[in-house]
Amino acid sequence: DVKVTQSSRYLVKRTGEKVFLECVQDMDHENMFWYRQDPGLGLRLIYFSYDVKMKEKGDIPEGYSVSREKKERFSLILESASTNQTSMYLCASRGPTGAVTEAFFGQGTRLTVV
Amino acid sequence: KQEVTQIPAALSVPEGENLVLNCSFTDSAIYNLQWFRQDPGKGLTSLLLIQSSQREQTSGRLNASLDKSSGRSTLYIAASQPGDSATYLCAVTGTASKLTFGTGTRLQVTL
Repeated sequence: DVKVTQSSRYLVKRTGEKVFLECVQDMDHENMFWYRQDPGLGLRLIYFSYDVKMKEKGDIPEGYSVSREKKERFSLILESASTNQTSMYLCASRGPTGAVTEAFFGQGTRLTVV
Repeated sequence: KQEVTQIPAALSVPEGENLVLNCSFTDSAIYNLQWFRQDPGKGLTSLLLIQSSQREQTSGRLNASLDKSSGRSTLYIAASQPGDSATYLCAVTGTASKLTFGTGTRLQVTL
């Protein structure tokens, strides 16, 4: 059974804190993604990674950074959390582009910044 | 820039009805299109993946079609059940490798 696991279901953090969201996949996938989901705006891509130590900015990278030191793990970092980063964060992974491969998602992390 | 639109935004049907959800995209240079289901407060569950060379895929009561040249996909759900109530999302994968999502259709199946 394929799995993408996010480290927390719910998080509450204070404004200005540095926040780490962790995602681990067990499918040996090359591609990993971080999205945020907000009512009325849908899923928006923050960053993605197509290989270890490789990363690409998505549509809304401001205020975020990422780290991929190992193939199975992709971390999203909020350098200084702000209230407008309160959202549902979703991690996904997928095999090589061009291959017959589905994207799989984690269960989501509901982050509240107070 | 790829844009994905889903119509309708919300739909309510009585149990047993067949229904169609629509997805359209602006750039036809895609590798594949994937349909997902999302229950409230949860992550996304993959339903069907259609490669760009395929016309349709079926899984149980679900059938997804793809017309790449016109930038359209439909998800057909047969004999709907209350357990089908969820938000349905489509996503396309383009040459840049990333998935671009529509904003979803919220489906409610009533008894």
